[in-house]
Amino acid sequence: KQEVTQIPAALSVPEGENLVLNCSFTDSAIYNLQWFRQDPGKGLTSLLLIQSSQREQTSGRLNASLDKSSGRSTLYIAASQPGDSATYLCAVDNNNDMRFGAGTRLTVKP
Amino acid sequence: GAGVSQSPRYKVAKRGQDVALRCDPISGHVSLFWYQQALGQGPEFLTYFQNEAQLDKSGLPSDRFFAERPEGSVSTLKIQRTQQEDSAVYLCASSPKGGAYEQYFGPGTRLTVT
Repeated sequence: KQEVTQIPAALSVPEGENLVLNCSFTDSAIYNLQWFRQDPGKGLTSLLLIQSSQREQTSGRLNASLDKSSGRSTLYIAASQPGDSATYLCAVDNNNDMRFGAGTRLTVKP
Repeated sequence: GAGVSQSPRYKVAKRGQDVALRCDPISGHVSLFWYQQALGQGPEFLTYFQNEAQLDKSGLPSDRFFAERPEGSVSTLKIQRTQQEDSAVYLCASSPKGGAYEQYFGPGTRLTVT
């Protein structure tokens, strides 16, 4: 069974810092990996999707990388802002069987 | 354009009651997924539809949980004889095609069983 782990569980940084969130998974036979943002009491907002054949995806200040062979992905956030405060979830898709990590709760202090 | 919508947004049920949670996917989306998210955890897969066919229900925790999508659009997740451990946020997601494509999530229904 696919296991997804996210480290750290919580992170607090001052505004303007660059930061990295980590995701690891046990079964490398994935179709894609997706990073989501979840605000308190809200649903999930997709940030980036990396297909299994890709190494990275970028959107604005966000960059996600994927190393399928080692079972790892990172989400890099540049120049963090207070509005980035949320829980970030990593999910791997084994063909319509999506497994999530428990998330990293990020707080960006003004 | 309209995203995935879910209703009700909040539901309080007494233990033993039956509940029905509704999901309206993005129009034209082929795939529909249900997830259960406990407090402080990531979502856990419950079941998956492709059009009206329920292709995977391996995540449903017990036979008290039942999902349907009779016309390949709106879906209902029904929980019979609710128990306290059913308290969670139930998330619905849809995807434009079958197979592993980007999923778009609704806001969820927060179920509290007292």
